[in-house]
Amino acid sequence: AQTIHQWPVAEIKAVGSPLSLGCTIKGKSSPNLYWYWQATGGTLQQLFYSITVGQVESVVQLNLSASRPKDDQFILSTEKLLLSHSGFYLCAWRQNSGNTLYFGEGSRLIVV
Amino acid sequence: GDQVEQSPSALSLHEGTGSALRCNFTTTMRAVQWFQQNSRGSLINLFYLASGTKENGRLKSTFNSKESYSTLHIRDAQLEDSGTYFCAANMNYNQGKLIFGQGTKLSIKP
Repeated sequence: AQTIHQWPVAEIKAVGSPLSLGCTIKGKSSPNLYWYWQATGGTLQQLFYSITVGQVESVVQLNLSASRPKDDQFILSTEKLLLSHSGFYLCAWRQNSGNTLYFGEGSRLIVV
Repeated sequence: GDQVEQSPSALSLHEGTGSALRCNFTTTMRAVQWFQQNSRGSLINLFYLASGTKENGRLKSTFNSKESYSTLHIRDAQLEDSGTYFCAANMNYNQGKLIFGQGTKLSIKP
């Protein structure tokens, strides 16, 4: 069975500090991977997607970047956090030939 | 403008009753997914539909691509059904981009 793990679960960071959020998928080779962001009380917005290792496409940047260093790993990062980066970050995957999207448990970020 | 319009934004039901949520699409969508977001923020997959109707327990969902809408029916509501429900639609099968509705906050009262 496929599992998706996100880390950290939650974090409080200062404005201007760096950020790295991680996501790993186990039990599935070459998945399509996605990062979504949700403002508190808001809807979800796709940020990035990746079809293969080393390839990342940006949908909405929000002064963030993403990388896929391994087949099963997707990283979201920034060198300088803004207050507007606060929210809930969700990683998702789907089979490259399928259509259902499955989400991880999310990482909650508070920027102060 | 918004491509996925979800209604209602909030809904309160007594246990044992039912209702329907609806998403209207302003452009052609190829598929729709429905999710329940619990208090921890986890998104639980409820349905994926490319067309037609699916039923799972007390939930039933329909997607009509020609008339550009999808519905989620809940019957015999239980306390654990509380949460925020989102529809999300695929404009195309590539990229996997889902466009989410604004969500429906569902509260179930004893």
